[in-house]
Amino acid sequence: AQKVTQAQTEISVVEKEDVTLDCVYETRDTTYYLFWYKQPPSGELVFLIRRNSFDEQNEISGRYSWNFQKSTSSFNFTITASQVVDSAVYFCALSESASGTYKYIFGTGTRLKVLA
Amino acid sequence: EAQVTQNPRYLITVTGKKLTVTCSQNMNHEYMSWYRQDPGLGLRQIYYSMNVEVTDKGDVPEGYKVSRKEKRNFPLILESPSPNQTSLYFCASSLSGAQPQHFGDGTRLSIL
Repeated sequence: AQKVTQAQTEISVVEKEDVTLDCVYETRDTTYYLFWYKQPPSGELVFLIRRNSFDEQNEISGRYSWNFQKSTSSFNFTITASQVVDSAVYFCALSESASGTYKYIFGTGTRLKVLA
Repeated sequence: EAQVTQNPRYLITVTGKKLTVTCSQNMNHEYMSWYRQDPGLGLRQIYYSMNVEVTDKGDVPEGYKVSRKEKRNFPLILESPSPNQTSLYFCASSLSGAQPQHFGDGTRLSIL
C-alpha cells in the first residue's frame, strides 16, 4: 500500500540557516508521482514541485532544492538560507496509478518555524 | 482567474442534519478530489473523481458521499454528520491524477 512518512513533526531554525525536510515513501507501482506542497499560516495549499518516478534528476529553484533518490525511496526538500516567510507546514505527497485511477497520499506534514 | 471555489467557508451545524459542501472549478480539469485535514494527521483523501460520473473512494470515505454530474462541480455530502467529522475540508482539482492539484480555500466544519 502507499505510504508517505514525514518523520519531522516540527523544525525550528534561525533565519539564514539551511534546513532539510525529509520525505520517505512506499509504493508498489513503478510509475508514480511525488509532490511537495506548502501551507503558510494563512491556510492555503500551494504546489511547489512534482517529480515522476522516471526522473531522478535533482531540481533547484532559487533557494529551494529537491533530492529524489529511488534507492532510498526518499524525496527530500532543502531550503537554503531560510527566511521568516518560509515558515509554514510542508506536505509531501504521492500519487500512484492503480488500475488506471490515481489515489493521493499525503504525509502528516512538517511545520517549519524560521526565527528572525 | 483560475480557481477552485468551495462553499461555505465556515459552517457550524448539529449532528444528523444533512449538509452539502459545494466545489466548483473553472479550469476544465478532469480530476477532482476531497480531503480532510486534521491536526497531526495531515491531509487524507476522502473521495476522488477521474472524470464525470467516475468516482472512487480515498482513504477515509465513511460517512461521506460525492457525485460528479458535471465536469466543473464535485459536491461533498454528509448525509448524517457526526462530531468526528468536525474538520477542515479541502477540494482540489487537476488536469489528471498525475498532475499538481489546485486547492480551494478550505471549509471549516464544526458538528456539535
